Amino acid sequence: DQQVKQNSPSLSVQEGRISILNCDYTNSMFDYFLWYKKYPAEGPTFLISISSIKDKNEDGRFTVFLNKSAKHLSLHIVPSQPGDSAVYFCAASVGGGDDMRFGAGTRLTVKP
Amino acid sequence: NAGVTQTPKFQVLKTGQSMTLQCAQDMNHNSMYWYRQDPGMGLRLIYYSASEGTTDKGEVPNGYNVSRLNKREFSLRLESAAPSQTSVYFCASRRDRVDSPLHFGNGTRLTVT
Repeated sequence: DQQVKQNSPSLSVQEGRISILNCDYTNSMFDYFLWYKKYPAEGPTFLISISSIKDKNEDGRFTVFLNKSAKHLSLHIVPSQPGDSAVYFCAASVGGGDDMRFGAGTRLTVKP
Repeated sequence: NAGVTQTPKFQVLKTGQSMTLQCAQDMNHNSMYWYRQDPGMGLRLIYYSASEGTTDKGEVPNGYNVSRLNKREFSLRLESAAPSQTSVYFCASRRDRVDSPLHFGNGTRLTVT
């Protein structure tokens, strides 16, 4: 059963606008969440994380929001750039442990 | 620093053949992982090794074996390949801190015919 879900397989936005990628989870024990970015023919690379003691974490153009009651997190990219075009994976774990579960990914396309 | 290196990059096998996917990291990480990526499924954990000499099953271990050869190297073996094992395989490593992210290799694309 997929405990981390990314229900939008793809998203297209205009350069300079905001990109919002969504992620839902079902396991209420998850308390550490990460976003990874993946370009074709490369491995995923870490983007940003958040622990359940926070509801927001920012790193430059990237902000992750966590809504624990809704079991929902989102990644905001502002402003979006063509180089942000990639597949974005949401991941979650219990206590930052070894069994990290990933969503199916959302392909973001940023158009110039 | 090369980070996490996987070999080979591509492989085609016939059903029933065996092969070993190699992974090495030069970041002095204790923990290493093997994931597979399939369309619509995301990345799923096959096996992991929290330290040299230990290995544990992940979400989808059936049909695979692993060896933690030393601190740097963690291999994944398919003893009798099946078409259902056609996938992209990623090796990853991370530091021991619970908030450490995974560092991934560039993957091995395996096709089993």
